[in-house]
Formats: sequence, structure tokens, C-alpha cells
Amino acid sequence: GENVEQHPSTLSVQEGDSAVIKCTYSDSASNYFPWYKQELGKGPQLIIDIRSNVGEKKDQRIAVTLNKTAKHFSLHITETQPEDSAVYFCAPQGSARQLTFGSGTQLTVLP
Amino acid sequence: DAGVIQSPRHEVTEMGQEVTLRCKPISGHDYLFWYRQTMMRGLELLIYFNNNVPIDDSGMPEDRFSAKMPNASFSTLKIQPSEPRDSAVYFCASSLGAGEKLFFGSGTQLSVL
Repeated sequence: GENVEQHPSTLSVQEGDSAVIKCTYSDSASNYFPWYKQELGKGPQLIIDIRSNVGEKKDQRIAVTLNKTAKHFSLHITETQPEDSAVYFCAPQGSARQLTFGSGTQLTVLP
Repeated sequence: DAGVIQSPRHEVTEMGQEVTLRCKPISGHDYLFWYRQTMMRGLELLIYFNNNVPIDDSGMPEDRFSAKMPNASFSTLKIQPSEPRDSAVYFCASSLGAGEKLFFGSGTQLSVL
């Protein structure tokens, strides 16, 4: 099965700074790479995703970059705001065609 | 659409009792997933259905757990008998297709005393 490692497990940044979270996966057949955000008391929600034929995708302050050779992809959040504070999960889709969730990153944006 | 609807929101029960969690997926979604979330193990896939048929239940921890999907708009996850180590948040999610965007419900917080 897919082995997924996500780093860091916790991240604190000052409001307005950037945050980067990295996800490493093992299955070379993986072709779909989403990031989910989970706020307290809620289910995870997709915030951005990328497919294997694209190296980067951006949506306003959020971007995802993919390095298939190295088997890792990253979430980039610029100009962080207090409402960005949450737990973020990567969830690459491997050859089993289902998502494997990383262990999560607790992001705290300090005012 | 109201999204994925789970009930109950919270469940407190005593060890040995039967627990039934319920889920209504988004209309038109062909896939339904049950996940369990704990601090120790993170988000674990328990079982998923495609067109009401269980496809992969390898994540179900043991025979005390069972899941059904009698029709396209309803699924249950049952634990019988429940144990304290089953305490967790259980999420239901649905998607249009395999590997597509997952829509999660708000979860059921289960506490087994």
C-alpha cells in the first residue's frame, strides 16, 4: 500500500508570512494529489488538488507543487491569515485508487 | 444539496452496547466511504462502497464492525459489542468517482465508557 509522510506535524507562523507543508509518498503509480483542511469539530474539506500531468497549481493564496521524480508534493499558503489556522492533510491516491491520508499538520497563524 | 449528513452528532454508550452510525451521501455520488479518526492513528479508511456494493473492507478492525448500504441514499456502520478503544470520530464521505474529491460529513463523536 501507499506510505505517506507529512512534515512538519506542527507549524506556527506570523500573520502575513508564508507556510509550506510537504508530503512524501511511496507509490510511483500515484496520479492524484489533494490537500484537505480540517477545522475544529468539522470534517476535512478539499482546498486544492493537482494531477500528475501538472507541476504546479495555484488558487489565490494557496498553491500546490508536485515533484513526481522525487515523489513529493507541497502545499504553499501565502499571506497567512488567522482563519488559515487548522489541520492540513495530504492524501495522495495510489494504485489502489483510493486516498491515503497523511498524519496531518497543525498550522497556527499568530496575530 | 445539504452535503453529507451524519447522525448522531455525538454518541455516548457503555461498553458492550450496540452502536449504529448513520450516513446520507450527496445525491448522485457513486462512492461512499467510512473513516475513523483518532489522535494515535489519524484518519483511517474502514470500508468503501461503489454503487451500494462494498468494495474494500480491509480497514474494518474486526468482526465487531459491520457496514451496510441498502440503497444509494443511506449507509450504516454498526459496532457490536462496543469497546472503549472504539472511541473516536467516525466520518462518512462520498464522491462522484474513484479518486475524485471527497465530501465529508461533520462526523460522529463516539465515546464508549
